[in-house]
Amino acid sequence: QKEVEQDPGPLSVPEGAIVSLNCTYSNSAFQYFMWYRQYSRKGPELLMYTYSSGNKEDGRFTAQVDKSSKYISLFIRDSQPSDSATYLCAMTLINTGNQFYFGTGTSLTVIP
Amino acid sequence: GAVVSQHPSWVICKSGTSVKIECRSLDFQATTMFWYRQFPKQSLMLMATSNEGSKATYEQGVEKDKFLINHASLTLSTLTVTSAHPEDSSFYICSAPRDRRNSPLHFGNGTRLTVT
Repeated sequence: QKEVEQDPGPLSVPEGAIVSLNCTYSNSAFQYFMWYRQYSRKGPELLMYTYSSGNKEDGRFTAQVDKSSKYISLFIRDSQPSDSATYLCAMTLINTGNQFYFGTGTSLTVIP
Repeated sequence: GAVVSQHPSWVICKSGTSVKIECRSLDFQATTMFWYRQFPKQSLMLMATSNEGSKATYEQGVEKDKFLINHASLTLSTLTVTSAHPEDSSFYICSAPRDRRNSPLHFGNGTRLTVT
């Protein structure tokens, strides 16, 4: 079983829709959770960084962590064509000397 | 703005030549940097961990003599692909956490290498 599971998609939504992207994980020791956006032929860009269960909001983006279910989500409100990209989840254990675990990425297309 | 700079963004080279890719942390010191390889429509594959002042740590299956890593200073790591072959063509991305506990990774913009 992989440490981090992420549905690769592709996911296609109309402009203005609410997008839900999800990852599950197997190691209950993961403490820090990240979401990255990667445009084609570019490096991943950090979108959200959260610690512990709960929600964190930044503009149109909301990151949600449910440690009891080992499940994290990224919600995008009022999606725009510019949101079309691959979204990667990542997580790390606390104080591990920088070991990061990545999902495979979900490809999202927002149709104008 | 970008906190990790990677150069060049793309390079084409002939088989048998070597290519050097640079990764710089722009406004912080990075004692550790990570080098990833990414194939089309696939996730990131960690190749090696670059440590300032010591040898790099390579992941299983990655040839250290082929992918030379030098972490010359607290803001610069280089990856040299030696004697490149067409199968080395890929997208290489470096990353670094800010040098404080439990910092997220910040990525460079990647280098697309094409070996002809």
